[in-house]
Amino acid sequence: EPEVTQTPSHQVTQMGQEVILRCVPISNHLYFYWYRQILGQKVEFLVSFYNNEISEKSEIFDDQFSVERPDGSNFTLKIRSTKLEDSAMYFCASGTGATNYGYTFGSGTRLTVV
Amino acid sequence: AQSVTQLDSHVSVSEGTPVLLRCNYSSSYSPSLFWYVQHPNKGLQLLLKYTSAATLVKGINGFEAEFKKSETSFHLTKPSAHMSDAAEYFCVVSDGAGNTPLVFGKGTRLSVIA
Repeated sequence: EPEVTQTPSHQVTQMGQEVILRCVPISNHLYFYWYRQILGQKVEFLVSFYNNEISEKSEIFDDQFSVERPDGSNFTLKIRSTKLEDSAMYFCASGTGATNYGYTFGSGTRLTVV
Repeated sequence: AQSVTQLDSHVSVSEGTPVLLRCNYSSSYSPSLFWYVQHPNKGLQLLLKYTSAATLVKGINGFEAEFKKSETSFHLTKPSAHMSDAAEYFCVVSDGAGNTPLVFGKGTRLSVIA
């Protein structure tokens, strides 16, 4: 069964550093997403991406964050100047856009900012 | 705007007994509803989805859920719990087309006692 692959599974970074979280969506999917889950809290929507541009973003997704699909297969989330409160599990997801499909999520990257 | 309320943060059942995880939703449009499961240190796996077809939806691993519009509910059930069902379960709603952001409930942790 096709999978969404995320790397790394766990990343530790120092406060103020930049991190890039990587995702390989399912190959025939057209819509890509990032969600995050701070420990003990809800899974929250960050951003959706379609046709090489952001289609929707939440208020969490401020100028500190950016997304890119650099080579037609990878989908990355960049966090500039990380803060302690960015520590969370970040999930990538992809979908076809069809109402009856739903999304496929990756296993997540646990980001720890120290 | 849509929202999801999972009525129990923790449910504990004995192995072999029925499981009921409760979910109520609020949506301005005809919603799509999902249940996702998250095992420890794993990603989010889709259990089942409702997208305006049959109101009783069957999913993987013996789980099913019934969409009740009059009660705005989408409770998850399973006739007989297995030890491997112990996990975090998320009820999720989405308005409109399949590419709109998902809104997650806070999750229900299911414990299964031998």
